[in-house]
Amino acid sequence: KNQVEQSPQSLIILEGKNCTLQCNYTVSPFSNLRWYKQDTGRGPVSLTIMTFSENTKSNGRYTATLDADTKQSSLHITASQLSDSASYICVVIPYNNNDMRFGAGTRLTVKP
Amino acid sequence: NAGVTQTPKFRVLKTGQSMTLLCAQDMNHEYMYWYRQDPGMGLRLIHYSVGEGTTAKGEVPDGYNVSRLKKQNFLLGLESAAPSQTSVYFCASSYRTGGRQPQHFGDGTRLSIL
Repeated sequence: KNQVEQSPQSLIILEGKNCTLQCNYTVSPFSNLRWYKQDTGRGPVSLTIMTFSENTKSNGRYTATLDADTKQSSLHITASQLSDSASYICVVIPYNNNDMRFGAGTRLTVKP
Repeated sequence: NAGVTQTPKFRVLKTGQSMTLLCAQDMNHEYMYWYRQDPGMGLRLIHYSVGEGTTAKGEVPDGYNVSRLKKQNFLLGLESAAPSQTSVYFCASSYRTGGRQPQHFGDGTRLSIL
């Protein structure tokens, strides 16, 4: 069983709307949690990095939150744009370990 | 500044053939990684390196070998390709693991084994 579960698997929204992507994890203890954006045919690109003691981190229209008690993170995208169409991947880095745990990703499609 | 460059971008092999995937980074990173990405699954770590001359196994190392003879290069070898190795392979690099250092990824090598 994957230690990082993302939902939904896919999502379609209209341009300009907001959306929230979810990440549940069982990795414990962990060093930090990351969100990556992966455009079709490209490698993942880092959006946010949060340590276990941080609750929120923003990067422009992207805001990630972390609840270490419930082992949940979310990525909120505000005023979506066509260029936001991509897969969004949640990654949890175990404490003192090089083997990062990747979620399967949420495929977001933004339509005009 | 190219970041992480992977070659080739595409390759089709026959079962039993061998090949080497090359990853080069120009950011002077100590850590380098090889992942595979399959549909519906998260990236899985094949092998990684914490510095020149050192390598270690990841989650799915069987059927692959790696070498890190130079700090900027990390090679992934398939000795005898199998259809199960059809995948998209990503290389990544970072200053270190953990903390606030993100991984930088290449754009992948799409490998098909017939």
